[in-house]
Amino acid sequence: AQKVTQAQTEISVVEKEDVTLDCVYETRDTTYYLFWYKQPPSGELVFLIRRNSFDEQNEISGRYSWNFQKSTSSFNFTITASQVVDSAVYFCALSDGEYGNKLVFGAGTILRVKS
Amino acid sequence: NAGVTQTPKFQVLKTGQSMTLQCAQDMNHEYMSWYRQDPGMGLRLIHYSVGAGITDQGEVPNGYNVSRSTTEDFPLRLLSAAPSQTSVYFCASRGQGPNTEAFFGQGTRLTVV
Repeated sequence: AQKVTQAQTEISVVEKEDVTLDCVYETRDTTYYLFWYKQPPSGELVFLIRRNSFDEQNEISGRYSWNFQKSTSSFNFTITASQVVDSAVYFCALSDGEYGNKLVFGAGTILRVKS
Repeated sequence: NAGVTQTPKFQVLKTGQSMTLQCAQDMNHEYMSWYRQDPGMGLRLIHYSVGAGITDQGEVPNGYNVSRSTTEDFPLRLLSAAPSQTSVYFCASRGQGPNTEAFFGQGTRLTVV
């Protein structure tokens, strides 16, 4: 079965601090895809990144970076030099070949960045 | 390009009332889904559809019905609203395949009193 665990319910940091959001997943499939979404206070869900199970290269996009490690079934998200605008709920999600029509989400991590 | 359009944005229902949440997408996506978002529980899948005429249950289907008569539309029906259905509901659509990201509607905040 698919499962995504985001153990950090809420994180508070001060602006310019670095912060890492953890995501641990479970799947029996060898082909799967991981996603991160951002939900700002306005409520919409914004797609951030997709990663497939065959690509373990880390990815960096501006202040955002993602670390995918199959050995620990983790897909962690780091924000460098956080800003107030990064305050949001962040969701990690998983879909795999066996259940490709289902996108399973973690419980989300609330990130509060204080000025 | 409108993407995924959900209506209404807000709704208050009395216990026992029925209503339909509308969802339409203009991206010709095969996959459409309904999720509910509750504090601390993330997004939980209610029902989903892999194409017109095909629907299936997700994680929390009880109390909800869906149909998919066209590729574009995927309405969610609450048969007899209960306070436990107070939530924020999101409709999503995806292209075919597990590698595709989901596009979400703006959400419907539903309160059942």
